[in-house]
Amino acid sequence: DQQVKQNSPSLSVQEGRISILNCDYTNSMFDYFLWYKKYPAEGPTFLISISSIKDKNEDGRFTVFLNKSAKHLSLHIVPSQPGDSAVYFCAANFGNEKLTFGTGTRLTIIP
Amino acid sequence: NAGVTQTPKFRILKIGQSMTLQCAQDMNHNYMYWYRQDPGMGLKLIYYSVGAGITDKGEVPNGYNVSRSTTEDFPLRLELAAPSQTSVYFCASSTGVPSYNEQFFGPGTRLTVL
Repeated sequence: DQQVKQNSPSLSVQEGRISILNCDYTNSMFDYFLWYKKYPAEGPTFLISISSIKDKNEDGRFTVFLNKSAKHLSLHIVPSQPGDSAVYFCAANFGNEKLTFGTGTRLTIIP
Repeated sequence: NAGVTQTPKFRILKIGQSMTLQCAQDMNHNYMYWYRQDPGMGLKLIYYSVGAGITDKGEVPNGYNVSRSTTEDFPLRLELAAPSQTSVYFCASSTGVPSYNEQFFGPGTRLTVL
């Protein structure tokens, strides 16, 4: 049972435009949601998180939006840069030690 | 700080062989994790540990064993390698402070079982 879903395996965006990555979840008890970024041959690195009591969190070019009623979150990258090309994983937890990951979306920024 | 280190980077095993994937962290984190990532899939938790001497099963523990004798090290043991264990293995660590619990990942070990 996939509790965290990323339905788009890949996304291509022009450099300078907005990238929007989407994530859906099924368990309304999740407390925190995280986005990780992964380059080839490297481990994932933490990007940004959001608590379930918030609907938006911003960090520089990265903003995460949470819609609890729709059980949906999205990561916005503005403006997109070539270095943003990577696989992005959405993850969630109950405020404890374990994370549940989505399957990832490969973002390609086109120069 | 080196962060989370993993050895080896690559390994090819024959069916039935055994091996240990090494993981070490120098951040004094209490929590450590082993994940596997199959093509097109997310990270699946194999085992985790909340401190030295304490380990627990994750989502896909079958075919693996772990031990945690020190805070720094968390080796993953494959006893009888099978083709289904071909995957990329990631070790991670975290402070375990209740919250979003950012996990720090190692670079991964790519394992092929033939």
